[in-house]
Amino acid sequence: DAMVIQNPRYQVTQFGKPVTLSCSQTLNHNVMYWYQQKSSQAPKLLFHYYDKDFNNEADTPDNFQSRRPNTSFCFLDIRSPGLGDAAMYLCATSREPTGYYEQYFGPGTRLTVT
Amino acid sequence: AQSVSQHNHHVILSEAASLELGCNYSYGGTVNLFWYVQYPGQHLQLLLKYFSGDPLVKGIKGFEAEFIKSKFSFNLRKPSVQWSDTAEYFCAVLTFTGANNLFFGTGTRLTVIP
Repeated sequence: DAMVIQNPRYQVTQFGKPVTLSCSQTLNHNVMYWYQQKSSQAPKLLFHYYDKDFNNEADTPDNFQSRRPNTSFCFLDIRSPGLGDAAMYLCATSREPTGYYEQYFGPGTRLTVT
Repeated sequence: AQSVSQHNHHVILSEAASLELGCNYSYGGTVNLFWYVQYPGQHLQLLLKYFSGDPLVKGIKGFEAEFIKSKFSFNLRKPSVQWSDTAEYFCAVLTFTGANNLFFGTGTRLTVIP
């Protein structure tokens, strides 16, 4: 009965080689988020989709892109991963993009860059 | 900019001891407050939340938290911890400046010794 699913759970990529992380949800929520969590740091919001509208955080590097082809799926694309991009990437969803709606998190994908 | 501080990085307690984890935030406007828990190998789960009303909120598994507006604090408490409470605990603040952006603290690792 998993609600927010992330694949793969572990991803290894080479320096500069594009990589895509996947997130899907069974909650039919309107909003999907991507967070980056580096070791011993707080999760940090990269961007979110409200339906088809993409909302980028001001300090998210251009190297990070996202796609949401339909309600259920959202992808995180890292065009040219650097060593500093090694982190846990968390996907979350919420019904609406306001503070009254809880965010539901997936298990995360741990990205290693070699 | 908004920030969330969790001063305790690692707390070690014996079973049946009382727990209090500190959380302070810096933001002068209206906030919603959350505590999330991440058990080993699992995803972030909501423990409790404060939106408005009674500043003492009760969550799952016997946890509670108190919102003290004058101190910008939202400390988590449990009268008697169990071994199964061993996990990472994250405080998070949601402001209403635009998107549904959760600001997380860096987390507190709780280890409960049987």
